[in-house]
Amino acid sequence: QVQLQESGPGLVKPSETLSLSCSVSGASIGNYYWNWIRQPPGKGLEWVAYIHNSGSTNYNPSLNSRLTISLDTSKNQFSMKMISVTAADTAVYYCVAVSGLGWAFDTWGQGTMVTVSS
Amino acid sequence: QSALTQPASVSGSPGQSITISCTGTSSDVGNYNFVSWYQQHPDKAPKLIIYEVSARPPGVSNHFSGSKSGNTASLTISGLQAEDEADYYCSSYSSSTTLVFGGGTKLTVL
Repeated sequence: QVQLQESGPGLVKPSETLSLSCSVSGASIGNYYWNWIRQPPGKGLEWVAYIHNSGSTNYNPSLNSRLTISLDTSKNQFSMKMISVTAADTAVYYCVAVSGLGWAFDTWGQGTMVTVSS
Repeated sequence: QSALTQPASVSGSPGQSITISCTGTSSDVGNYNFVSWYQQHPDKAPKLIIYEVSARPPGVSNHFSGSKSGNTASLTISGLQAEDEADYYCSSYSSSTTLVFGGGTKLTVL
């Protein structure tokens, strides 16, 4: 059974870079699409980006210019970097797996809260 | 503004059935059978309850069902139970933005 665990800074200053990692256990990182999804406090879900071990990546067009997603197969983890953050990037960030059930997000991490504030 | 439109809230009494709609466009819901639904309890991660419009993952109760007509997908919960009270989100593959969510619907069990 796939399990995901996010790790990140908790607090980031405006205009700085947010870096998050997701550790994968119970599955080979090569078999899935690995996603980041975020949820601002009290608001809905927003898909951020995905990466596949083939090298294929895709980003939310509204965030594309600020995002980089990467995969480290040796550590069985994937990561995300978002530059030039603002208060609007304050959210719970979830790492999520798509294993092939018709582009459904079938396995979620517990989420990590990131606050952008000086 | 979310790409998919859901009602902000719905309510029902225990034992009743409710339906939550999810309206998109011909670029997403109307063109792909990759519609999924998620249940989220407070301070918890979302849980997949429906995928590919109407399929249920293993372990998900059959009182959840999904359907689609044109650009609108629907989630029906029959025989409402207190534990069904949660937020529900739809999602769809999209030709324009790859993956999109609805704004979420808060279900209250009266």
